[in-house]
Amino acid sequence: QVQLQESGPGLLKPSETLSLTCTVSGDSIRDYYWSWIRQPPGKGLEWIGYIYHTGTTNYNPSLKSRVTLSVDTSKNQIFLRLTSVTPADTCVYYCAACAGGDFDSSGYYFPGGLDPWGQGTLVTVSS
Amino acid sequence: QAGLTQPPSVSKGLRQTATLTCTGNSNNVGDQGAAWLQQHQGHPPKLLSDRHNNRPSGVSERFSASRSGNTASLTITGLQPEDESDYYCSAWDSSLSSVVFGGGTKLTVL
Repeated sequence: QVQLQESGPGLLKPSETLSLTCTVSGDSIRDYYWSWIRQPPGKGLEWIGYIYHTGTTNYNPSLKSRVTLSVDTSKNQIFLRLTSVTPADTCVYYCAACAGGDFDSSGYYFPGGLDPWGQGTLVTVSS
Repeated sequence: QAGLTQPPSVSKGLRQTATLTCTGNSNNVGDQGAAWLQQHQGHPPKLLSDRHNNRPSGVSERFSASRSGNTASLTITGLQPEDESDYYCSAWDSSLSSVVFGGGTKLTVL
């Protein structure tokens, strides 16, 4: 059974770069696409993007200019990098496996669902 | 701003049936369907139903999903206290090439 665990600094200052790691256990990182999702305290979910072990990525257009996802297959880890953070980036950040996906007419992979999720890690941006 | 529209709150009585809705358009829900997630306070979301309306192993049969046109629905029968939670829908938006979420519905079991 796949298990995911997010880790990284919990406090950043505005303009710094957020760097988080998602460690996958129980299965190979090669078996799924992997998504990052975030959730501001008390608010809804926002998809950040996904990555495949080949390095194929797709990002939320609203975050694309600041986001980079990468993988280390030898360590079964997925990484999120978000530059120039502001207090609006204060969120719980989750990684999740993309389950039961397909490809749309434009050739983009899309997930059938996100399952399972990690426990999430809170990142606060404050001066 | 959420890409899909969900009612902010729904209240139903114990053992009653609740139907939660998620409205999108022909580029998302109407095209590829919607998945449903349950999130209890302080916990990560849990997948209840994928875009094909299939329940993952371990999800109660009391949860069933369906779709009609651009609107997806999650029906919960025999409401239990533990069903009180936030529920989110998600879908692939082919015009954005992005996953979009609904704003979530807070279900209260009276």
